Amino acid sequence: NAGVTQTPKFQVLKTGQSMTLQCAQDMNHEYMSWYRQDPGMGLRLIHYSVGAGITDQGEVPNGYNVSRSTTEDFPLRLLSAAPSQTSVYFCASSLRGLSYEQYFGPGTRLTVT
Amino acid sequence: AQKITQTQPGMFVQEKEAVTLDCTYDTSDPSYGLFWYKQPSSGEMIFLIYQGSYDQQNATEGRYSLNFQKARKSANLVISASQLGDSAMYFCAMRETSGATNKLIFGTGTLLAVQP
Repeated sequence: NAGVTQTPKFQVLKTGQSMTLQCAQDMNHEYMSWYRQDPGMGLRLIHYSVGAGITDQGEVPNGYNVSRSTTEDFPLRLLSAAPSQTSVYFCASSLRGLSYEQYFGPGTRLTVT
Repeated sequence: AQKITQTQPGMFVQEKEAVTLDCTYDTSDPSYGLFWYKQPSSGEMIFLIYQGSYDQQNATEGRYSLNFQKARKSANLVISASQLGDSAMYFCAMRETSGATNKLIFGTGTLLAVQP
């Protein structure tokens, strides 16, 4: 099992550019989520999904879109990058639910200039 | 609203000694769960230990134990016999039950440095 994989590991964007952060898991988990990690603020939930075709907003959804067409994949789209979106992004999956043990990917470090 | 507080931004401990990382929480929900995650310098988040609010005994996983004091609303992580590889950021998290879907909320973390 590869677990949860994320690509890319690092990305630099210019303000206004768009991009997609990829996330995939091979554990057949129904629950997947995206977090961002900023210094001094812990992890904050951006969007989550409770199964293929079902997504919902977390704590900080503005500026991001998600879709879940398959159980395995949960991409995060930045529509028009802003410097405030400079952060480390983690994808996570869970067998039992969002409030149970999460398996995290290795993270994507994004810088928006 | 539920809240998680980690008041120690950083901690030092000598190798082979025990260390306690503090975590306090605030919730009015009688059913909740508390988690600890480790984040080494490589960046990945690693699940360490879980305590349910109705669990009678403190959770233990190898060298990790959770000192759960319900009346004080604290869930401190105890690492026994520290090793150099324990140097990392440690996050406490709690199951949030407001709204239709339960989620995790995270504290701001404690950076632990183990010294030889």
